[in-house]
Amino acid sequence: GAGVSQSPSNKVTEKGKDVELRCDPISGHTALYWYRQRLGQGLEFLIYFQGNSAPDKSGLPSDRFSAERTGESVSTLTIQRTQQEDSAVYLCASSLSDASSSIQYFGAGTRLSVL
Amino acid sequence: KQEVTQIPAALSVPEGENLVLNCSFTDSAIYNLQWFRQDPGKGLTSLLLIQSSQREQTSGRLNASLDKSSGRSTLYIAASQPGDSATYLCAVPSAAGNKLTFGGGTRVLVKP
Repeated sequence: GAGVSQSPSNKVTEKGKDVELRCDPISGHTALYWYRQRLGQGLEFLIYFQGNSAPDKSGLPSDRFSAERTGESVSTLTIQRTQQEDSAVYLCASSLSDASSSIQYFGAGTRLSVL
Repeated sequence: KQEVTQIPAALSVPEGENLVLNCSFTDSAIYNLQWFRQDPGKGLTSLLLIQSSQREQTSGRLNASLDKSSGRSTLYIAASQPGDSATYLCAVPSAAGNKLTFGGGTRVLVKP
């Protein structure tokens, strides 16, 4: 596609429910990243994929968070048993190679609201 | 641990003035530095990527400078327009190249 696509753009859920957020990176981009932006705060790194492998999951805040990538393409971020503090904008980015040499292109984000 | 700081957090200027946005980082061993723009409710748009070997990078009215030794980058926007109103973020990659560390951003308002 022309850019990084994320769905849904907005998600409202009840505390305790599971949610899945989807990211379609730019075709051919081997690196994929998830970040989180809480209201009024900076961007926090969550996880990095190189191909279908996740060599760095260090940013995932708890074991309720997981992510996978298939076909070196689509990635899904899953949050189980959502809590109110999970409310944030979840941003996905992709790049040709890793961050040391390539521009990261971001999607528009998924705004998650946990009631 | 790399830390990235942007000061000021907010800036308001009249249309036509030049904008100067500052970014500082604690670890000077960086591969590159990237400047982004974020509009309310939107994702990030990459503006400029300046490699560690470069002193500056230009794109239209935008010019970014990099001084690795002092841990600073500056984004200049010439002849500001109301459409330049947005939050500007700088970011540097980690040593492993697996993520970006972002500054807190500078929220810019250009008044007509």
